[in-house]
Amino acid sequence: EAGVAQSPRYKIIEKRQSVAFWCNPISGHATLYWYQQILGQGPKLLIQFQNNGVVDDSQLPKDRFSAERLKGVDSTLKIQPAKLEDSAVYLCASSQAGNTIYFGEGSWLTVV
Amino acid sequence: AQSVTQPDIHITVSEGASLELRCNYSYGATPYLFWYVQSPGQGLQLLLKYFSGDTLVQGIKGFEAEFKRSQSSFNLRKPSVHWSDAAEYFCAVAATPGGGADGLTFGKGTHLIIQP
Repeated sequence: EAGVAQSPRYKIIEKRQSVAFWCNPISGHATLYWYQQILGQGPKLLIQFQNNGVVDDSQLPKDRFSAERLKGVDSTLKIQPAKLEDSAVYLCASSQAGNTIYFGEGSWLTVV
Repeated sequence: AQSVTQPDIHITVSEGASLELRCNYSYGATPYLFWYVQSPGQGLQLLLKYFSGDTLVQGIKGFEAEFKRSQSSFNLRKPSVHWSDAAEYFCAVAATPGGGADGLTFGKGTHLIIQP
């Protein structure tokens, strides 16, 4: 079974530029998550989708971050404009019916 | 609100020695508890999880964890570590069995260093 796929794996951008990350969850998983993991910290939930609807985006900085899951499968996370403090690993994860969450390998963002 | 504390930022263990990583949680209802491992440059891999029943849980790679409700703890153990166990270890808590309904709350992680 294929795991959670993410791209790009690595991205370096200048502050105030924009960036987008893509995620393809495990087939059949209705729930999709985006986590932010800053160096030296545990992952923090940014947004959770159930199919194509948002369940929780309370910790998403909506002035600069946006995410969508238009067809209930793939998802994109966008940051515009980026700040230095956005440097982190962005982890996508998925689960089915409240069961175990599976993580992708992450997209590593460096803002310079 | 739920929270997780991992008191040890770094732990150094000699290869072949035993290991215990500490985790304390705060949660008002029945907690569902998890340990994940993250190798350098990789995503998170589930080691084990506690839902209910037997408080000693067996996981992959020879790891086990013990749930102690009276101490609000869920410590991870391994009797004999291997150099390949060097990684970052995260304890997490959730309100639902798989953590899937509302996501996981993670601790800050413990960095495990293995000495030859």
